[in-house]
Amino acid sequence: EADIYQTPRYLVIGTGKKITLECSQTMGHDKMYWYQQDPGMELHLIHYSYGVNSTEKGDLSSESTVSRIRTEHFPLTLESARPSHTSQYLCASSESPASDYTEAFFGQGTRLTVV
Amino acid sequence: AQTVTQSQPEMSVQEAETVTLSCTYDTSENNYYLFWYKQPPSRQMILVIRQEAYKQQNATENRFSVNFQKAAKSFSLKISDSQLGDTAMYFCAFLTSGYALNFGKGTSLLVTP
Repeated sequence: EADIYQTPRYLVIGTGKKITLECSQTMGHDKMYWYQQDPGMELHLIHYSYGVNSTEKGDLSSESTVSRIRTEHFPLTLESARPSHTSQYLCASSESPASDYTEAFFGQGTRLTVV
Repeated sequence: AQTVTQSQPEMSVQEAETVTLSCTYDTSENNYYLFWYKQPPSRQMILVIRQEAYKQQNATENRFSVNFQKAAKSFSLKISDSQLGDTAMYFCAFLTSGYALNFGKGTSLLVTP
């Protein structure tokens, strides 16, 4: 069973609110990712991190920000939520490819609705 | 940049039959990993099977196997004896050092009775 957790699972919030989506993993993985996914659709990488104090923007332009102060924690923040942010957000983690065990584990996702 | 292409947006197969999902990728790297992930409706993404590029032998996990053609940059997934529980979105993914995990657009597989 994957040891990566996302909270909350579901969130309905008003336009203009600041929100933080939490993601934590207990596997000591260096790499962590945030993906945005509309139901039944492709995954879009919005942020990733190779380790503490390392963050990069992904392929999909996003108004969100991330931080990586601790290895196990990779929160995503929206300073001012808009209806266009309504989506599912998936967090994942993996070790570097040099390891024999390179599987990426996914959290259960946060389904965000901005009204 | 790496790209992953899944050319079949939707597929359907009858229970107990075999189905093959295709995936091609583009990279200049020599060392990388390929994955097939399964995302059942409203459920967590899970790994189905993994292939290391340096291994010539095709990976197999029970009813799931891959056909890895490195020269052709092809990585198809074969599901044998399909079961209703195999109904899901299937994503092909690519990983190499220095880059993030990169996914294809997915194939929606429906297994019918």
